[in-house]
Amino acid sequence: QKEVEQDPGPLSVPEGAIVSLNCTYSNSAFQYFMWYRQYSRKGPELLMYTYSSGNKEDGRFTAQVDKSSKYISLFIRDSQPSDSATYLCARRGYGGSQGNLIFGKGTKLSVKP
Amino acid sequence: DGGITQSPKYLFRKEGQNVTLSCEQNLNHDAMYWYRQDPGQGLRLIYYSQIVNDFQKGDIAEGYSVSREKKESFPLTVTSAQKNPTAFYLCASRPQGGGTGANVLTFGAGSRLTVL
Repeated sequence: QKEVEQDPGPLSVPEGAIVSLNCTYSNSAFQYFMWYRQYSRKGPELLMYTYSSGNKEDGRFTAQVDKSSKYISLFIRDSQPSDSATYLCARRGYGGSQGNLIFGKGTKLSVKP
Repeated sequence: DGGITQSPKYLFRKEGQNVTLSCEQNLNHDAMYWYRQDPGQGLRLIYYSQIVNDFQKGDIAEGYSVSREKKESFPLTVTSAQKNPTAFYLCASRPQGGGTGANVLTFGAGSRLTVL
């Protein structure tokens, strides 16, 4: 149960830009996806959680799942310097290890003032 | 406040020494996890436990050991057999059962181990 691919970046954008972070996964049976944000030298914190296809919005953040192309995305509108962090996508395992999460390698984002 | 406490935050070890990282949670979660994080490698699962007195190996269990004698506690021992132990170690937990919460891990702040 592997293969959540994520571009490690780093990605640098100016303040106010729209940021698009992406992951691909290998098995269309996967349904639960998460985005975690991790500040330097801290533990990851849950940002967004999605089930199946479609969009989910929370403030400046939108998570999108496209099952046909096996693509998950996180969009950040009006990006702020405080958004500078590493963003990890994850999917839930299945079968006997369904509670386990499989993580991408993370994309490091820097938002410049 | 409910959460996960990891200690120590920073730890230095000489080669050949065993060290134990502490993880305590007061979230009443059943399942607990240990991940290792290296630059450019993402999070890799070391061990996990879904119930007291039971645990399973993850993807990179060699050189590590755990115990789960209490629901609240899941200590990780990094043994001298671990060839490259310098890393950031993260403990996490989640409730069992159905519902959204069972799919989401809550993480501690991490412990950074450096082998000298």
